Amino acid sequence: QVQLVQSGAEVKKPGSSVKVSCKASGGTLNNHAVNWVRQTPGQGPEWLGGIIPIFGAATYAQKFQGRVTITADKSTSTAYMELNSLRSEDTAIYYCASVTLDCTTTSCYYFYYMDVWGMGTTVTVS
Amino acid sequence: QSALTQPRSVSGSPGQSVTISCTGTSSDVGDYNYVSWHQQNPGKAPKLMIYDVSKRPSGVPDRFSGSKSGNTASLTISGLQAEDEADYYCCSYAGDYTYVFGTGTKVTVL
Repeated sequence: QVQLVQSGAEVKKPGSSVKVSCKASGGTLNNHAVNWVRQTPGQGPEWLGGIIPIFGAATYAQKFQGRVTITADKSTSTAYMELNSLRSEDTAIYYCASVTLDCTTTSCYYFYYMDVWGMGTTVTVS
Repeated sequence: QSALTQPRSVSGSPGQSVTISCTGTSSDVGDYNYVSWHQQNPGKAPKLMIYDVSKRPSGVPDRFSGSKSGNTASLTISGLQAEDEADYYCCSYAGDYTYVFGTGTKVTVL
């Protein structure tokens, strides 16, 4: 089973941007979608958006539309989440989580549930 | 996309059963049989416990079960054990490759 390895903790100033990476280990992202989820202390997870690397297009939560950009580099099996115009409320742990795809030569089945999670990246805005 | 509603906490003695509800809308929980449940221990990443409303991944004890009725999904832990004490979050597919999570429930084993 693929594992997801995330980049290290970040400390950012208000108004700046942060880019977090999520690299597949023990496999590739060719048969996975990658979602980004954040969690603030004592709160439930919040879905920011996701991408299916083999297709390229990303989808975003309405709340973050225009402020978050999710991309993927198939050659390195790495997904990225960039959040702009940071404010103190963006201080959180950011997780990537994968959804499995089962692809044939003509179609892919999307499994709809996040079954592998990265270890999380703490982003502090201060 | 409003968060799914869960009770803030539930508790039970070892061996008892507890049930956690997860209430959404006809656009998420009510429209798709793609509800998952995730267990989270302090300082750790979430772990998948139930998917597609009621299916268990390999390695998850069969004391964990899931169900759904209308806009509400439920997770039941039967034969509660000390190691089950954790936070639990539901997650529903909401169409067009979007998701919504629940507010979270802390399970306490008395």
